[in-house]
Amino acid sequence: DTGVSQDPRHKITKRGQNVTFRCDPISEHNRLYWYRQTLGQGPEFLTYFQNEAQLEKSRLLSDRFSAERPKGSFSTLEIQRTEQGDSAMYLCASSLDGTVNYGYTFGSGTRLTVV
Amino acid sequence: AQSVTQLDSQVPVFEEAPVELRCNYSSSVSVYLFWYVQYPNQGLQLLLKYLSGSTLVKGINGFEAEFNKSQTSFHLRKPSVHISDTAEYFCAVSEPGSARQLTFGSGTQLTVLP
Repeated sequence: DTGVSQDPRHKITKRGQNVTFRCDPISEHNRLYWYRQTLGQGPEFLTYFQNEAQLEKSRLLSDRFSAERPKGSFSTLEIQRTEQGDSAMYLCASSLDGTVNYGYTFGSGTRLTVV
Repeated sequence: AQSVTQLDSQVPVFEEAPVELRCNYSSSVSVYLFWYVQYPNQGLQLLLKYLSGSTLVKGINGFEAEFNKSQTSFHLRKPSVHISDTAEYFCAVSEPGSARQLTFGSGTQLTVLP
């Protein structure tokens, strides 16, 4: 297992279209997080899953955003009716609950450009 | 609510010189503290973390940081930088017992000049 994988790496879409991103966490990690990073800013928390349950969502996650993690493995983040303000890097991270060393591994991200 | 302030958005420094990247946080409870590095078009890589114990924390690539509770700071230092250290550095905080979500600062771009 080589780490957290995100697909696609880059996505260009027209305003109003729907997009979906995928994240494959480290296989034994039961927690999965989504963050959004806009240009010149640090990542901002969007939501997280423990196994298949979505336990917390940020106010940043408008009703156009939805995330799933069926079967507690990979996760998808969908944005409906994209807006130019959605242009950002979307980062996924995973961790193993109860890890003493507080492991938290990020993927390389999906860069979304809405034109 | 917790927050993180990185006082310098850009830090230029010559190769082999020492560097300090500043980070201050605010929180009403005890916290865990982290420094991450991000190279262009990449995700974040953990440099080091403070969870408890010794306030001087050593990380990868020769970096270290010191937790100062009275000043609510967690500054990152390296005694001698290399060109390859050029990257964006983020300080982050998390509250124990929370969902472990991280609150990040806005980042410091470290540029090492030849």
